[in-house]
Amino acid sequence: EAGVVQSPRYKIIEKKQPVAFWCNPISGHNTLYWYLQNLGQGPELLIRYENEEAVDDSQLPKDRFSAERLKGVDSTLKIQPAELGDSAVYLCASSLGSNSPLHFGNGTRLTVT
Amino acid sequence: QKEVEQNSGPLSVPEGAIASLNCTYSDRVSQSFFWYRQYSGKSPELIMSIYSNGDKEDGRFTAQLNKASQYVSLLIRDSQPSDSATYLCAVTAGGGNKLTFGTGTQLKVEL
Repeated sequence: EAGVVQSPRYKIIEKKQPVAFWCNPISGHNTLYWYLQNLGQGPELLIRYENEEAVDDSQLPKDRFSAERLKGVDSTLKIQPAELGDSAVYLCASSLGSNSPLHFGNGTRLTVT
Repeated sequence: QKEVEQNSGPLSVPEGAIASLNCTYSDRVSQSFFWYRQYSGKSPELIMSIYSNGDKEDGRFTAQLNKASQYVSLLIRDSQPSDSATYLCAVTAGGGNKLTFGTGTQLKVEL
C-alpha cells in the first residue's frame, strides 16, 4: 500500500512569510495527525483529525497556525507569519483509528531565516 | 512530571548483545503503547505495539508492559549495527486517546 505522502520535503523561507504543507494519508485511514519535531526531541502533536473534524487542536498555536482536512482525506497545515522558532520538521501521520499505530510520512523540514 | 519519560542515552551495546530500552508513563488509564525507531534524518517507523500486560515478541524484538508499575520496555536481542537509531516510546494518554511521545533513547550498537 502507498504510504503517507507529504510535500514539500524541504522549505526555506524568511521570517514573516507564509508557508503551507500538504499531506495525503494512507487510503482508508480516518485519523490524521500533524506533529512537530525539534532536533533531539520526540514528535509533539499539533492537531488530530477524525475524518474532517479536528478533535484535538489544543497544542496548535492558533494565532499563526491553521489546518484543514477537506473531505476527510488530504490535509494542509499553514503558518502565517512564520517565526524563527518555527524551524523544525513537520510530520504528518495517519492511522485507522485513535488507538491504532501511526504511519508517518517523510516529513517537511522547515527552515525560517 | 513528563507524560512519557525515556533516558536520552546514548545507550551503547556491543554487536550481538541485548539492548534494553525503558519508558515510564504518568497516565494510569493509558491503553495503547508503541515503540518507534527513527534513523537520523528519517521519520519514525513502527517497531512494536502492545496493549496488555506481559511480553510480546516479534523476531529479535520483545516489548514488555507492566501497567501496575507504569513502564514499558523494548528488548532487542542479537543487536546489529543497523539497529543504531533513536527509539521513541509512545503512549495513548488522556480521555481523548492522545498519543504522546517520549524524547527517545539513542541506541548505538558497536562492532
